[in-house]
Amino acid sequence: QLQLQESGPGLVKPSETLSLTCTVSGGPIDDSHYYWGWIRQPPGKGLEWLGNIYESRSTYYKSSLKSRLTISGDTSKNQVSLKLNSVTAADSAVYFCASGQAPYGDNSEFWYFDLWGRGTLVTVSS
Amino acid sequence: SYELTQPPSVSVSPGQTARITCSGDALPKKYAYWYQQKSGQAPVLVIYEDRRRPSGIPERFSGSSSGTVATLTISGAQVEDEADYYCYSTDSSDNHWVFGGGTKLTVL
Repeated sequence: QLQLQESGPGLVKPSETLSLTCTVSGGPIDDSHYYWGWIRQPPGKGLEWLGNIYESRSTYYKSSLKSRLTISGDTSKNQVSLKLNSVTAADSAVYFCASGQAPYGDNSEFWYFDLWGRGTLVTVSS
Repeated sequence: SYELTQPPSVSVSPGQTARITCSGDALPKKYAYWYQQKSGQAPVLVIYEDRRRPSGIPERFSGSSSGTVATLTISGAQVEDEADYYCYSTDSSDNHWVFGGGTKLTVL
């Protein structure tokens, strides 16, 4: 059974890069039956989809973050990573790693998250 | 950018039916999904592909979709159903996903 665990610094300075890792257990991240994603939630606010990755090669990003966001996979460590550049206080949030099944491979129309990590709080402050 | 619109709050008494709507232009052609999030916890999927219920989700949770509006219905809402509920779907390109703004359900 898949399990997801987010990790990374809880405090990042403005203008620096926010880096988080999602360690996956119970299955390989390059399994073609699954995809992986990142979602965040600012304190007291709603969920925001950030991006997805499939087979460690196909990536999909929220348009407004595309210039600052990179999602990648490390099959040797079985981890999915998120890097967000030039952060500001507006990037402070709980960041969730999540996964879903890809019943038709990279046909993303039927993708949805059915497993979530517990989330990790990141605060952007000097 | 694509948006899904939900009412900020819905309130019902225990045993009543709660209905939470989600409006989006692509919903006639795209599935809606619903997540329940209780305070301090990760979201949990309660409805997928408009109306299908994952195993372990009580039968009182149901979903429907008509035109540009998807609806989550909780029949006989219970106090334990108090939570924030989010709809989720993709735009017409299938490359960008979005959550609705969330609806706070109060059962008291």
